[in-house]
Amino acid sequence: DGGITQSPKYLFRKEGQNVTLSCEQNLNHDAMYWYRQDPGQGLRLIYYSQIVNDFQKGDIAEGYSVSREKKESFPLTVTSAQKNPTAFYLCASRTGLAAAETQYFGPGTRLLVL
Amino acid sequence: GNSVTQMEGPVTLSEEAFLTINCTYTATGYPSLFWYVQYPGEGLQLLLKATKADDKGSNKGFEATYRKETTSFHLEKGSVQVSDSAVYFCALSPTIQGAQKLVFGQGTRLTINP
Repeated sequence: DGGITQSPKYLFRKEGQNVTLSCEQNLNHDAMYWYRQDPGQGLRLIYYSQIVNDFQKGDIAEGYSVSREKKESFPLTVTSAQKNPTAFYLCASRTGLAAAETQYFGPGTRLLVL
Repeated sequence: GNSVTQMEGPVTLSEEAFLTINCTYTATGYPSLFWYVQYPGEGLQLLLKATKADDKGSNKGFEATYRKETTSFHLEKGSVQVSDSAVYFCALSPTIQGAQKLVFGQGTRLTINP
């Protein structure tokens, strides 16, 4: 089955700790995205990547970092500089450049601060 | 700039009632429009989409028509079920090739009572 997998489902972070959220897709999509969702809120774009070895900041990139070394993988690191990391994180991917292309989402990772 | 405005929730209806969730947008050119649904604790799933003016997207009894003259993409269903309880997001994809970023509304929480 093709799709997007995110792991872990739940992640706990201690103060001052960096944590990495995994996102893998086997849809052969070029573009990948990371969103943050706070309770009762919409989605805010953190980072996106249109091609391997290239990525762009979204609207709320501060305190986060990403890499895109393989087409299938787009991990997100939440650094200690992100002071309010508790949220639901969603990874997405999309096949091409056209506006009509659908963006597909993974099941999400919930990050909680201990 | 591009933006999406959805009717504020939460919306509570009885089973078999008629549903409308309003969505209006601001965008240059001719964006593609999407409705996504999010069930509790899950990622977003595409519900339907429309890529040009007067197109009607439909799926699982839900419909939405792309109205250029009123810049709207309202979601409707003739008879809702308890299983339709979820959060619904309206989104647009700008026509500028390569932009690739979806712009989301804030989401509307729908609860259907038996």
